[in-house]
Amino acid sequence: DTGVSQNPRHKITKRGQNVTFRCDPISEHNRLYWYRQTLGQGPEFLTYFQNEAQLEKSRLLSDRFSAERPKGSFSTLEIQRTEQGDSAMYLCASSLGQTSSYEQYFGPGTRLTVT
Amino acid sequence: AQSVTQLDSHVSVSEGTPVLLRCNYSSSYSPSLFWYVQHPNKGLQLLLKYTSAATLVKGINGFEAEFKKSETSFHLTKPSAHMSDAAEYFCVVTRSSGSARQLTFGSGTQLTVLP
Repeated sequence: DTGVSQNPRHKITKRGQNVTFRCDPISEHNRLYWYRQTLGQGPEFLTYFQNEAQLEKSRLLSDRFSAERPKGSFSTLEIQRTEQGDSAMYLCASSLGQTSSYEQYFGPGTRLTVT
Repeated sequence: AQSVTQLDSHVSVSEGTPVLLRCNYSSSYSPSLFWYVQHPNKGLQLLLKYTSAATLVKGINGFEAEFKKSETSFHLTKPSAHMSDAAEYFCVVTRSSGSARQLTFGSGTQLTVLP
């Protein structure tokens, strides 16, 4: 068990550029979640996959954001036409959906800075 | 709807003294409650969880929390603080049944441990 991994760990981009982040969940976990954490705040839910199906999306996930999990394993989160307000830590988590404990395991996050 | 309120944004204790981090929750459903810890440059780590079993929950590193339905509270305690406990702590709520699995985080409590 190598845990949840995220790449890159840091990304600096200019306003208006597109960025893509990758999350590799724990291998046997069928559920995958994306959260966003801004400075001084707790993480906020963005979206959730069960296998390859995207089952929930937060109102925070504007049209510029898209997430995929094409084969039910790794996931990507793309932000198009980045804005300075997108600067945040993007966290990925995974869980084993068959248990009742709802325990989510988090990756180290990708810190995005939009200049 | 569900939410958590962490009553203190910062708590400072001396090493060897007790720790109390306060959390109140609001939930329209039977809740599951968690405490997560976030050390700098590290992923969120689960400390403990309540999922409608015993109301006194023991977690890792000597932490405990007690679910009090009448007070809608889930305070985190530790008898004796250690320097390594310095971190940010998040109280988290989710529904304990149904399809929704998103976690709702509080805004966090920064714990400082003084030598």
